Amino acid sequence: DADVTQTPRNRITKTGKRIMLECSQTKGHDRMYWYRQDPGLGLRLIYYSFDVKDINKGEISDGYSVSRQAQAKFSLSLESAIPNQTALYFCATSEGGQGNEKLFFGSGTQLSVL
Amino acid sequence: RKEVEQDPGPFNVPEGATVAFNCTYSNSASQSFFWYRQDCRKEPKLLMSVYSSGNEDGRFTAQLNRASQYISLLIRDSKLSDSATYLCVVNAPSSGSARQLTFGSGTQLTVLP
Repeated sequence: DADVTQTPRNRITKTGKRIMLECSQTKGHDRMYWYRQDPGLGLRLIYYSFDVKDINKGEISDGYSVSRQAQAKFSLSLESAIPNQTALYFCATSEGGQGNEKLFFGSGTQLSVL
Repeated sequence: RKEVEQDPGPFNVPEGATVAFNCTYSNSASQSFFWYRQDCRKEPKLLMSVYSSGNEDGRFTAQLNRASQYISLLIRDSKLSDSATYLCVVNAPSSGSARQLTFGSGTQLTVLP
């Protein structure tokens, strides 16, 4: 089984709909992240959480919200999806701290907003 | 100016060739540097960290030049399986207190038979 699991793998939705992307991990890491990837732009950080009570905005948080339900679960919501949120979304975890920055990614969720 | 810049390529090289990628970063306070590999539509995976003295892992060599603020990745004896996008990643202070990993947009490599 994958250490970092994202659901769904693919989602097509319409403008204005509320969407939730889910991420769970079995690595026991405290730190979890949500990134989006667009062609030619690389991965950009949306939100991150260093523990269950910690939520931080990343580079491009507008239009998104997150919930850290437990150490193992970190969900990303689009309250009212718009077409420019069409992208490949990745959840990631890390152990954190100096020397423990390696990111472990889920397989990604391809979201299309029509 | 982007915080982390890479030549997007594509680099098309024959099997057995040596190929090098460069990556420049803008924040002189950056402390940690990495190369990740990403296959098409797959998740990125850590290829190697980059240390100040340079480091090697088999056919892969990474170098850091702090004075000029760039890192490099050298691949010797290219294999077909090396075909992927290579992402340069830098850990630097962001707005707020936490350091963040910033990704370059990637360099695409295709190794041809």
